[in-house]
Amino acid sequence: IAGITQAPTSQILAAGRRMTLRCTQDMRHNAMYWYRQDLGLGLRLIHYSNTAGTTGKGEVPDGYSVSRANTDDFPLTLASAVPSQTSVYFCASSQGIAAYNEQFFGPGTRLTVL
Amino acid sequence: GQNIDQPTEMTATEGAIVQINCTYQTSGFNGLFWYQQHAGEAPTFLSYNVLDGLEEKGRFSSFLSRSKGYSYLLLKELQMKDSASYLCAVRDSDYKLSFGAGTTVTVRA
Repeated sequence: IAGITQAPTSQILAAGRRMTLRCTQDMRHNAMYWYRQDLGLGLRLIHYSNTAGTTGKGEVPDGYSVSRANTDDFPLTLASAVPSQTSVYFCASSQGIAAYNEQFFGPGTRLTVL
Repeated sequence: GQNIDQPTEMTATEGAIVQINCTYQTSGFNGLFWYQQHAGEAPTFLSYNVLDGLEEKGRFSSFLSRSKGYSYLLLKELQMKDSASYLCAVRDSDYKLSFGAGTTVTVRA
């Protein structure tokens, strides 16, 4: 079934540890996104990639990095996790960046940093 | 920054109609999206408006007024499965999506 997969589903992490959240899509979408969702704040954009080989910063990029080596994969790395990064992380993709392109979301990764 | 406001919670009875309002102030406008998100699940696309007026899709309709910075999502003939959060999102001048905090709709029997 075509779509977006994320791994892991959930993770408990000690503060200071490095963590990579994985995201893979098989829809051959050009654009990919990482959001975090916190209660009362809604979805906030962390980083995005309009096409393979390019990345950009969103609203809350500090403490996170991304890479886009190919079309399908868009990993998000926390270099040194802090408790404020406890959140649900959603990866999304869209065919392109045209105004009408809807975004498709992965199932999410629930991350707890202690 | 972007400012997107929607009510936090709404409750309605099965079979009834509920209207979820969304007001926005953003840097540029390239369309407004509504997403549905059931608890513990990913958001899924419901509707897209870029021109003023009403878009109807089955039991769900979405309205946009660009001059007022206003949209609403209308859910008709409510069913228990419609209990979810509804997210309003605006695509800005950089073509990025900014989301409201979401409206949790509870449908009671």
